[in-house]
Amino acid sequence: NAGVMQNPRHLVRRRGQEARLRCSPMKGHSHVYWYRQLPEEGLKFMVYLQKENIIDESGMPKERFSAEFPKEGPSILRIQQVVRGDSAAYFCASSPVGGSNGYTFGSGTRLTVV
Amino acid sequence: GENVEQHPSTLSVQEGDSAVIKCTYSDSASNYFPWYKQELGKRPQLIIDIRSNVGEKKDQRIAVTLNKTAKHFSLHITETQPEDSAVYFCAASPNTGTASKLTFGTGTRLQVTL
Repeated sequence: NAGVMQNPRHLVRRRGQEARLRCSPMKGHSHVYWYRQLPEEGLKFMVYLQKENIIDESGMPKERFSAEFPKEGPSILRIQQVVRGDSAAYFCASSPVGGSNGYTFGSGTRLTVV
Repeated sequence: GENVEQHPSTLSVQEGDSAVIKCTYSDSASNYFPWYKQELGKRPQLIIDIRSNVGEKKDQRIAVTLNKTAKHFSLHITETQPEDSAVYFCAASPNTGTASKLTFGTGTRLQVTL
């Protein structure tokens, strides 16, 4: 089992560009969670998705951010028109059922906006 | 929503001593409390968790205690070793199906000195 796979590991974008972060959950897991970690801070919940459904997006900024988890393929976190404040580590986690027990986090994508 | 506070923010102990990290939470509906260890530049890794029907749980040198009445829980590490040096995060969740997000504390940077 390869675990939760995130790519890219590092992403550099200029202000105004788009960033696409990918997350492939562990085999057999159909629930995906995205968290953001600013430098020297804890993790903040962004969004919880099941296949083809957004279950809870209460942590997502209302503008520029979107997430999807299609029937086939990885979950995508998309940030449009990035700003310097978007620079952070974005972690994805997956679980086999709709619960927070035993989250397994991916290695994260470190986004740097220049 | 849930609010988790964590203390201290930094903790330095000598090798072999014990370390204690404390967290409080605000939402009485929370019933799942995991602890994560994060080494520099790496993913958060689950080290131990506890549910509200249990007051204490132990795994080798690591133990967690929970006081639901007072809404606080603590991580205890005994016989600390240099490899225990990392940032530790507590978290809380109501773990009720769709309400599966974790609310994290702000982290404790533990330094184990020789």
